[in-house]
Amino acid sequence: DSGVTQTPKHLITATGQRVTLRCSPRSGDLSVYWYQQSLDQGLQFLIHYYNGEERAKGNILERFSAQQFPDLHSELNLSSLELGDSALYFCASSVGLAGGMSSYNEQFFGPGTRLTVL
Amino acid sequence: TQLLEQSPQFLSIQEGENLTVYCNSSSVFSSLQWYRQEPGEGPVLLVTVVTGGEVKKLKRLTFQFGDARKDSSLHITAAQTGDTGLYLCVGNYNTDKLIFGTGTRLQVFP
Repeated sequence: DSGVTQTPKHLITATGQRVTLRCSPRSGDLSVYWYQQSLDQGLQFLIHYYNGEERAKGNILERFSAQQFPDLHSELNLSSLELGDSALYFCASSVGLAGGMSSYNEQFFGPGTRLTVL
Repeated sequence: TQLLEQSPQFLSIQEGENLTVYCNSSSVFSSLQWYRQEPGEGPVLLVTVVTGGEVKKLKRLTFQFGDARKDSSLHITAAQTGDTGLYLCVGNYNTDKLIFGTGTRLQVFP
């Protein structure tokens, strides 16, 4: 158990709909990262938040957005869903930032949310 | 997103065989991590290497960081079916930037 929780575990919805995925980082971790993993693909970095602020964006579509709340949990919002959005969505947390004196940015991953768009 | 080049992409071997996975880049990293991901689960951190030339061992797994901190290798001795999974290397710069390897999918057959 990594200490990172994600809900829901599974989500099935229809095209055009909107969903929200939730992530609670490990206690004490300030950074949250979101990743998308399609079938048999590697991890695609979506976005990184640190202590409530967006730090970096990866291959995140405009239909997707995220935020990190004062209690450090994060939500990933996916809208106008398409069939191609079906994937595993992982969040990961780390203590701080890459290169920080107290952290090598070791990431701890949640169990993922499997999104199926029909 | 830039990628670290991992090789091989796929590896299918029998139990008891040895294997090495390589992670190469032209960039210098402040540190590098290796993760293993089993189907349907999140990646799990195996090791972090920081110093050029560093070697770390985790049971039958040996990790090495290149002297110039541009590359790394993972060697598995006497592979077991439980080693099956996707192996990812992730390089860290002295910034917020992480570079992900392309991944090596390992299948160990009994």
